[in-house]
Amino acid sequence: DGGITQSPKYLFRKEGQNVTLSCEQNLNHDAMYWYRQDPGQGLRLIYYSQIVNDFQKGDIAEGYSVSREKKESFPLTVTSAQKNPTAFYLCASSPQTGVTGNQPQHFGDGTRLSIL
Amino acid sequence: AQSVTQLDSHVSVSEGTPVLLRCNYSSSYSPSLFWYVQHPNKGLQLLLKYTSAATLVKGINGFEAEFKKSETSFHLTKPSAHMSDAAEYFCVVSDQGNTGKLIFGQGTTLQVKP
Repeated sequence: DGGITQSPKYLFRKEGQNVTLSCEQNLNHDAMYWYRQDPGQGLRLIYYSQIVNDFQKGDIAEGYSVSREKKESFPLTVTSAQKNPTAFYLCASSPQTGVTGNQPQHFGDGTRLSIL
Repeated sequence: AQSVTQLDSHVSVSEGTPVLLRCNYSSSYSPSLFWYVQHPNKGLQLLLKYTSAATLVKGINGFEAEFKKSETSFHLTKPSAHMSDAAEYFCVVSDQGNTGKLIFGQGTTLQVKP
């Protein structure tokens, strides 16, 4: 079955450490997104990518970095500059934008990041 | 700018009774609107979408929503709640332009009592 795979499901970070969250999709979608979810809040966009080798900052990009070297992969690195990284991170993908902006996004099951 | 407001942070219903989750939106153009559901420690699942076709949209699991432009609302309803409907529900509006970006409401927690 096609879908989005996020790994690991749970991740712990030590102070001063960078960690990378994996997101892989086999839906052949052009666009991919990273969101952060905090308790009682909606999703906030960190980064998004509409095509390979290109990505844009979302609303809360500080302390995060991404790469998009392959269509199916969009890893997120939480750097030591992110002072409050404890959250639930969700990756999503959607078909090509640019033709219409109304494509729904498909989500992975998330990675929960905690600080040791 | 586009925005979405979910009018209730928490809704509690008894099993077998109707569900109403309220959502108002603000948009400077004709938007696309979505409802997603999220079960604990899971990703979001699309329930239904409105993309300027029929104003009454039917989704999965018996849910439906009505787009009312005059009221700028997109409320989610279900005639009879099931225990498995207990979850977090998000009303979402598409951002302006062709970025594919979505704007999420704060979410409504639906509790279903036996």
